[in-house]
Amino acid sequence: EIVLTQSPGTLSLSPGERATLSCRASQSVSSNYLAWYQQKPGQAPRVLIYGASSRATGIPDRFSGSGSGTDFTLTISRLEPEDFAVYYCQEYGSSPQTFGQGTKVEIK
Amino acid sequence: EVQLVESGGVVVQPGGSLRLSCAASGFTFGDYTMHWVRQGPGKGLEWVSLISWDGTSTYHADSVKGRFTISRDNNKNSLYLQMSSLRAEDTALYYCAKDSLNRRFGELWDYMDVWGKGTTVTVSS
Repeated sequence: EIVLTQSPGTLSLSPGERATLSCRASQSVSSNYLAWYQQKPGQAPRVLIYGASSRATGIPDRFSGSGSGTDFTLTISRLEPEDFAVYYCQEYGSSPQTFGQGTKVEIK
Repeated sequence: EVQLVESGGVVVQPGGSLRLSCAASGFTFGDYTMHWVRQGPGKGLEWVSLISWDGTSTYHADSVKGRFTISRDNNKNSLYLQMSSLRAEDTALYYCAKDSLNRRFGELWDYMDVWGKGTTVTVSS
């Protein structure tokens, strides 16, 4: 089982600032099968990024994903008020699929 | 519109059993692998199970292996999760999720692109 460790646990930023979220895997993620999801309070998760760097349908271009192997990053170039949420990375190249513990992006 | 609606979540005693359902609409259900993912109160996401488009392949997390069984009925556009020997740690919001990969591509699964709103299971005496 691949263990995903996200950092930081909480990111306190202001609207307009840049957010950089990290996801580190305990072993290499095959074919970059790494996704990022956003979850707002009381809502289901929504996919943002798949294949480490491909934006899902309808996702604004301020969201970008990068990385390979064991180190992956989600970047939000300029935070909008609706971006304050919890973000999870997920590895889906093997079974069991695993999620990171999440990074909360909160308003400073 | 692609939609997933879960049902069946209730309060159940430890050791009890329960079956969750997920009704799918807005897409060709039989063309996609389906997943169950859960989220404990105030906790993160945990992948639980997946089933291939035709139901012939299933995978379960170690935490539920031998206790939970995933199944589907493509004629009814429905996904199920049979849960038994329930424990307090199974208390969670259970989401049904659609895989993004159409079966014509040959691979069994990819990322999850559509999620339901979830149904709550509480295991308590």
